[in-house]
Amino acid sequence: QKEVEQNSGPLSVPEGAIASLNCTYSDRVSQSFFWYRQYSGKSPELIMSIYSNGDKEDGRFTAQLNKASQYVSLLIRDSQPSDSATYLCAVNMMNNQGGKLIFGQGTELSVKP
Amino acid sequence: GAGVSQSPRYKVTKRGQDVALRCDPISGHVSLYWYRQALGQGPEFLTYFNYEAQQDKSGLPNDRFSAERPEGSISTLTIQRTEQRDSAMYRCASSLTGGYGYTFGSGTRLTVV
Repeated sequence: QKEVEQNSGPLSVPEGAIASLNCTYSDRVSQSFFWYRQYSGKSPELIMSIYSNGDKEDGRFTAQLNKASQYVSLLIRDSQPSDSATYLCAVNMMNNQGGKLIFGQGTELSVKP
Repeated sequence: GAGVSQSPRYKVTKRGQDVALRCDPISGHVSLYWYRQALGQGPEFLTYFNYEAQQDKSGLPNDRFSAERPEGSISTLTIQRTEQRDSAMYRCASSLTGGYGYTFGSGTRLTVV
């Protein structure tokens, strides 16, 4: 079992719809969770972080965390063609103590005009 | 600096040669990370430093790979006796302290011919 798993996609949604991206992780002691966006040929860019159970909203983005289910998701409301990218889920097992991020393979999102 | 700077952007080397990849993190960032990313995959952890101390090198594939950060700022990833399978995008990232999201550099594309 991979430590961090995502559906590779591609996930295709029409412009204006909600895009839902999902991620599961294997290590129950994981404490910090991140979503990165990576445009084709570019570096990953941090867009959301979440540390406690529940929802965290930032503009059109909402991160959701359920530690009991070992599940984290990213919702993108009012999806735009400019949101088309690969979204990477990353997990850090050592809260505020350093440690590496383990990345999933990424989910490719395509937003159709 | 304003961002994480990596050099060179592209490196083509012959099999068997040694290469050194450089990373200059954001000024004041304590933690520095090295990743390798294959096409269509998420970044794969190699090693990381807090200040000048190498905290975790469990992701280095074999003893041909080494990294240092002697003054707690600039880091060098060295690959000795390169092989074709070493061809990949090598990414460096830094964070203010460990456990938080990273800022990635633009990467070094290594091609071993």
